[in-house]
Amino acid sequence: EAQVTQNPRYLITVTGKKLTVTCSQNMNHEYMSWYRQDPGLGLRQIYYSMNVEVTDKGDVPEGYKVSRKEKRNFPLILESPSPNQTSLYFCATRRPGQTDTQYFGPGTRLTVL
Amino acid sequence: GENVEQHPSTLSVQEGDSAVIKCTYSDSASNYFPWYKQELGKRPQLIIDIRSNVGEKKDQRIAVTLNKTAKHFSLHITETQPEDSAVYFCAASISSYDKVIFGPGTSLSVIP
Repeated sequence: EAQVTQNPRYLITVTGKKLTVTCSQNMNHEYMSWYRQDPGLGLRQIYYSMNVEVTDKGDVPEGYKVSRKEKRNFPLILESPSPNQTSLYFCATRRPGQTDTQYFGPGTRLTVL
Repeated sequence: GENVEQHPSTLSVQEGDSAVIKCTYSDSASNYFPWYKQELGKRPQLIIDIRSNVGEKKDQRIAVTLNKTAKHFSLHITETQPEDSAVYFCAASISSYDKVIFGPGTSLSVIP
């Protein structure tokens, strides 16, 4: 079964405490990306990766880091989280086609106090 | 940079009627335009996309049109059903593998 998993699903943390949200896929897709979703602001792309060791900034990359050391994993790193990073985060993969197919993870709800 | 506007922000239609959501974009280099549906409390789904070499694309009750000259694209849902109720997001990108910018979303309610 095609799957994108994210961990943790929920996290409450404090300002400045480094955290990592993991994203893993079992479909061997080359493209992976991270989004955040905030009320009134919709979806915004943070970072994306076209393949192993290839990453690029999305619309709102400030305060985030990513790495893509292997195809299946694309972790999102917050080195020093701040309250304005409180959000719902989605990881996704993409498979090209007549209509591309995107597989979104279940989301990670992060609260930074 | 790219900016995507979307209208209307909310839309209510009677079951069986059609719904149209319109988006405009600013960057003439954009060539890829996906549409997403997000039901309440669920993750987004890519429901249809269109590339700039095509003016229209259909998939069952959903169609998308693109006018590159005017820099706008639209989502058309025919014979709406209650399960079409969701927030719909349009987006624009140079390609499906590049940075993507989203519109602010349209909340569609289909009234039985």
